[in-house]
Amino acid sequence: AQTVTQSQPEMSVQEAETVTLSCTYDTSESDYYLFWYKQPPSRQMILVIRQEAYKQQNATENRFSVNFQKAAKSFSLKISDSQLGDAAMYFCAYRSQAPTSGTYKYIFGTGTRLKVLA
Amino acid sequence: KAGVTQTPRYLIKTRGQQVTLSCSPISGHRSVSWYQQTPGQGLQFLFEYFSETQRNKGNFPGRFSGRQFSNSRSEMNVSTLELGDSALYLCASSLASGVLYNEQFFGPGTRLTVL
Repeated sequence: AQTVTQSQPEMSVQEAETVTLSCTYDTSESDYYLFWYKQPPSRQMILVIRQEAYKQQNATENRFSVNFQKAAKSFSLKISDSQLGDAAMYFCAYRSQAPTSGTYKYIFGTGTRLKVLA
Repeated sequence: KAGVTQTPRYLIKTRGQQVTLSCSPISGHRSVSWYQQTPGQGLQFLFEYFSETQRNKGNFPGRFSGRQFSNSRSEMNVSTLELGDSALYLCASSLASGVLYNEQFFGPGTRLTVL
């Protein structure tokens, strides 16, 4: 069974600085997706960035980028130029894929709470 | 386009009761997934519905059930509530289900408290 581990329950970063959130996963599949979701205090979960396992190039979305190490099963999120609005709970997620059944399910980590200090 | 809506937003029940939560997906989305979020466990997948059929199911007891209607709206039911069922229940919708990637859009959640 696949698992997703976020070993940092809480992180702090100074405004305008850079922070990296860690995520490791375990799977025997070769094809899958990885995601980072952001859940602000208002509770609406939004997608920050996604990475297809078959792509070697790390995904980037403005100030957000990932370091995807497939062999090490590591998927960290780097937030550059941190802003107060980045304060939220961040979840790493794995989307399995079962080609024979055509179904999938998401597996989430336990989350990392990011605090941004002014 | 309106986002995913969930009703009610807050709910307080007592042990042994049952509860029904509702989720309206984004217009045009046919897949609805349900998750339970607790502080210690993070998000755990409950089930997914597509075209009124349950396509996938997580590891939850049979007390947790769901259904989807022809307009893609979905309901989740929990019977014989236990204290441990207190959680934020999130619904997420996407265009379709299957091997192709479809982004999930989450609703604000329903906060269920069981006393």
